[in-house]
Amino acid sequence: QSVLTQPPSVSGAPGQRVAISCTGSSSDIGAGYDVHWYQQLPGTAPKLLIYGNSNRPSGVPDRFSGSKSGASASLAITGLQAEDEADYYCQSYDNNLSGPLFGGGTKLTVL
Amino acid sequence: QLQLEGSGPGLVKPSETLSLTCTVSGGSVSRSNYYWGWIRQPPGKGLEWIGTIFYGGSAHYNPSLKSRVTISLDMSKTQFSLRLRSVTAADTAVYYCARHLPIDYGDYIDSWGQGTLVTVSS
Repeated sequence: QSVLTQPPSVSGAPGQRVAISCTGSSSDIGAGYDVHWYQQLPGTAPKLLIYGNSNRPSGVPDRFSGSKSGASASLAITGLQAEDEADYYCQSYDNNLSGPLFGGGTKLTVL
Repeated sequence: QLQLEGSGPGLVKPSETLSLTCTVSGGSVSRSNYYWGWIRQPPGKGLEWIGTIFYGGSAHYNPSLKSRVTISLDMSKTQFSLRLRSVTAADTAVYYCARHLPIDYGDYIDSWGQGTLVTVSS
């Protein structure tokens, strides 16, 4: 698998909840490796949002949460805000790469 | 506060070698529980891992790029570097340097450089 599978886009109105899925295979997420999430605001470098499936680095609001089940993972954003409009990437370790494998990215639009 | 700053030419000719350097401040590249790597992002596309180097100097590369890539570490200068040989237009991308935790610590990237846009064109 060359990338983890994410929906190309999701959208929601301010205050709503959205979820972004990330599907892997038996060589990455399904092999038991953790899933991490990054937020990339327009024109900037990615920023770590969730690590170890569900942990938030210091400074990340608790509106962001992550979960993992089997070979898939999900990022949920509650209380959607305009500043959440960004690209979101999942990442896991891949046995074939022997290194990090990223999802294709999901563009979040706040309506 | 750890900071990574990538630098290098923004334009490289086809068939030549792309060379970038990342300078690390506010931390040491010799700590054994961190790795140092490069990730790239073609315009309008997703992220691709290029390779990672360990504090002892051992590097590991994406198999799709392995034949053309060398990553090296200069601990005295707290820098690490990327060389990508025989570039083509497909190598046009923003190149990020990053600090990477080993798989035993979760295998995630906790710090990114600002990104350097490298265009391959004659």
